[in-house]
Amino acid sequence: DVKVTQSSRYLVKRTGEKVFLECVQDMDHENMFWYRQDPGLGLRLIYFSYDVKMKEKGDIPEGYSVSREKKERFSLILESASTNQTSMYLCASTQGTYPPGEQYFGPGTRLTVT
Amino acid sequence: SQQGEEDPQALSIQEGENATMNCSYKTSINNLQWYRQNSGRGLVHLILIRSNEREKHSGRLRVTLDTSKKSSSLLITASRAADTASYFCATGRSGGGADGLTFGKGTHLIIQP
Repeated sequence: DVKVTQSSRYLVKRTGEKVFLECVQDMDHENMFWYRQDPGLGLRLIYFSYDVKMKEKGDIPEGYSVSREKKERFSLILESASTNQTSMYLCASTQGTYPPGEQYFGPGTRLTVT
Repeated sequence: SQQGEEDPQALSIQEGENATMNCSYKTSINNLQWYRQNSGRGLVHLILIRSNEREKHSGRLRVTLDTSKKSSSLLITASRAADTASYFCATGRSGGGADGLTFGKGTHLIIQP
């Protein structure tokens, strides 16, 4: 059974804190993604990675950074958390390159910044 | 970037009835995917339809694609309470799969017992 796991289901942090969200996949997928989901806005892509140590900006990268030191692990970093980063964060992975293939999602991390 | 837009935003039907959701997108695609999200959880892939396909079935799901109208529909037949969820269509952000998907805002489906 393929799996994408995220380090926390719920997280509460204070404004200004550095926040790490971890994602691990066990499918040996090349490509990994971080999305955020907000009511009325749907899912929006923050960053993605198509290889170890490679990263690309998505549609809303401001205020975020990522790290991919190992193929199975993709971390999202909020350098200085702000209240407007309160959201549901979803990690996904896929093996496909072209055309776009099925993405496998983790259960999500609901982050609240106070 | 491309964007799928689902219609309606919310749908409430009785158990046993059929549910139909629609999706429109803006640019040419290689394929279109549908996902389901149960409340507060991650997304689960339901079905993928290629641009050269017009219809695809998977169990109680039927997806159609009309590339001339840039639209797709998802039909769930004989609905069950467990089908209560949000449904999203998604297309590639560009041509390749390595740069992620663009999702619509979703249709929230409620199945009344």
